[in-house]
Amino acid sequence: QVQLKESGPGLVQPSETLSLTCTVSGFSLTSYSVSWVRQPSGKGPEWMGRMWYDGDTAYNSALKSRLSISRDTSKNQVFLKMNSLQTDDTGTYYCTRQRQGYFDYWGQGVMVTVSS
Amino acid sequence: VQMTQSPSYLAASPGESVSISCKASKSISNNLAWYQEKPGKANKLLIHSGSTLQSGTPSRFSGSGSGTDFTLTIRSLESEDFAVYYCQQYNEYPPTFGGGTKLELK
Repeated sequence: QVQLKESGPGLVQPSETLSLTCTVSGFSLTSYSVSWVRQPSGKGPEWMGRMWYDGDTAYNSALKSRLSISRDTSKNQVFLKMNSLQTDDTGTYYCTRQRQGYFDYWGQGVMVTVSS
Repeated sequence: VQMTQSPSYLAASPGESVSISCKASKSISNNLAWYQEKPGKANKLLIHSGSTLQSGTPSRFSGSGSGTDFTLTIRSLESEDFAVYYCQQYNEYPPTFGGGTKLELK
């Protein structure tokens, strides 16, 4: 069945870089797109960016200058790197499978705290 | 596109029916999805295209609306339905979500 699982550090220092990995199973990264979505505690989710099935990427303009999404299809993994983290980047980060414009499968999420 | 959900909190009892509103700041046609969030579980897609039930979504859930005004209705609430619900538009980039509605047990 379709599964997505996020992994990465739970604590990041301010101004440092966040690196997360999404490992997928049950579908091919060359057939479906994967997006990263984050959610500050108590707020609605925010779409961050997308790795298209053809390898192209799209980013939320609000994050574009700090964000990079890449993939390794041989390992069924999608990667997120975001630099210059600040405290308001604290929240839960999800990888999702994106169909057309909506997200039909989600990982359980990884909580990231930005703090010294 | 800004998405505004109301109410933010809703208390109800099992067996009751409830409705959650989602308003878009501009027309999004029917490009709207609804999700359910429960602690310790992956978010679940309930409805897409405004009213199309995702496979596995119980028939007591329904979605309606187009343009700027949308509604998620849950008939005959069951205990497993108490959760947080989000709407999301995908008519324009970037996709945007509402702030959520927490459905609590009365």
